[in-house]
Amino acid sequence: EPEVTQTPSHQVTQMGQEVILRCVPISNHLYFYWYRQILGQKVEFLVSFYNNEISEKSEIFDDQFSVERPDGSNFTLKIRSTKLEDSAMYFCASSPTGGFAEAFFGQGTRLTVV
Amino acid sequence: GIQVEQSPPDLILQEGANSTLRCNFSDSVNNLQWFHQNPWGQLINLFYIPSGTKQNGRLSATTVATERYSLLYISSSQTTDSGVYFCAVRGGGTSYGKLTFGQGTILTVHP
Repeated sequence: EPEVTQTPSHQVTQMGQEVILRCVPISNHLYFYWYRQILGQKVEFLVSFYNNEISEKSEIFDDQFSVERPDGSNFTLKIRSTKLEDSAMYFCASSPTGGFAEAFFGQGTRLTVV
Repeated sequence: GIQVEQSPPDLILQEGANSTLRCNFSDSVNNLQWFHQNPWGQLINLFYIPSGTKQNGRLSATTVATERYSLLYISSSQTTDSGVYFCAVRGGGTSYGKLTFGQGTILTVHP
């Protein structure tokens, strides 16, 4: 069964460093998403991406964040200068369409900023 | 934006018991999904159920979209059912597919 894969599963970085989280969405899907979950809290939407551009973003997704689809298969989230409060689980998701379709989530990347 | 409320926030069961988790939402939706977050933090898709009833083994779910709620039933619970259960919805007016999650129900099943 096709699945969304994320790498790495766990990343530790020093405050102020740049990190790139990687995702390979399901191959025929057109909509891509990043979500974040701070420990003990609910899952929050960060950004959606369609047709090679951001279609929607939350207020969390400030100038420190960027997304890119550098080739036909990868979808990345970059945090330019990490802060302690960026420590969270980051989930990538993809969907064949944006309306009624089911979203499929990756297994997550746990980011720890020290 | 759309609001999602889950109840109860915490649920403690003995193995073999049945349970019902509830998800209320504040507006019309075109997508509703139930997830189980396991101890490793992974989100496991349980159901995609914008309306109607589905069953998968000991789990079943019902969404009554007109009354803005969904129920997740767990029968004959097992210790491996422990974890956090999230409901997530996509509002009817959202064309790009953002899901809004509830706060979750923390389920603990004791042997």
